[in-house]
Amino acid sequence: SQKIEQNSEALNIQEGKTATLTCNYTNYSPAYLQWYRQDPGRGPVFLLLIRENEKEKRKERLKVTFDTTLKQSLFHITASQPADSATYLCALDIRAGRRALTFGSGTRLQVQP
Amino acid sequence: DGGITQSPKYLFRKEGQNVTLSCEQNLNHDAMYWYRQDPGQGLRLIYYSQIVNDFQKGDIAEGYSVSREKKESFPLTVTSAQKNPTAFYLCASSIVGGPQETQYFGPGTRLLVL
Repeated sequence: SQKIEQNSEALNIQEGKTATLTCNYTNYSPAYLQWYRQDPGRGPVFLLLIRENEKEKRKERLKVTFDTTLKQSLFHITASQPADSATYLCALDIRAGRRALTFGSGTRLQVQP
Repeated sequence: DGGITQSPKYLFRKEGQNVTLSCEQNLNHDAMYWYRQDPGQGLRLIYYSQIVNDFQKGDIAEGYSVSREKKESFPLTVTSAQKNPTAFYLCASSIVGGPQETQYFGPGTRLLVL
């Protein structure tokens, strides 16, 4: 079955630096890979989706890359701000099989002022 | 004001009791999902439904049941067979097909056992 690995340790960075979060997966190649933000006690909020034929996707200060050879996605937040502090989840949309997302356990990002 | 609502925000269950969590959406989405999240963990899929009157088991369906009688509603019942129900329950919805199937989440229900 598909497994998703995100760094379980919190990532602490200084304001203004670039945060880079990693999502690794095994087995099936997903049609899409999605990133969500989750604040404590709240539901996740969709941030970005990248398709299997796309190498990179950007949205304002966010950038996602997708390497199907390495089976890895990187999520970057440039010019990070304390308001970016949250848990970031990656999720795979596997077309071959059930039509539901599989989520990673998330990486908590803490941006220090 | 479109979105997904979940109620109640907090729910307390006594041993041996069945409880039902509500999930309603007015986004006109065909697909709806239930996830369970334990502290420090990711989301685990309980059940999902792609269309009215049809639903599929997820990874941890044992001890749970659902119904999908209306497009807007996807209630989840936590039965007495679920021995460790304390968790944060999240409902989501999405379109089916098309270039994107991003999920829209509700605010969640926290279930606690008395």
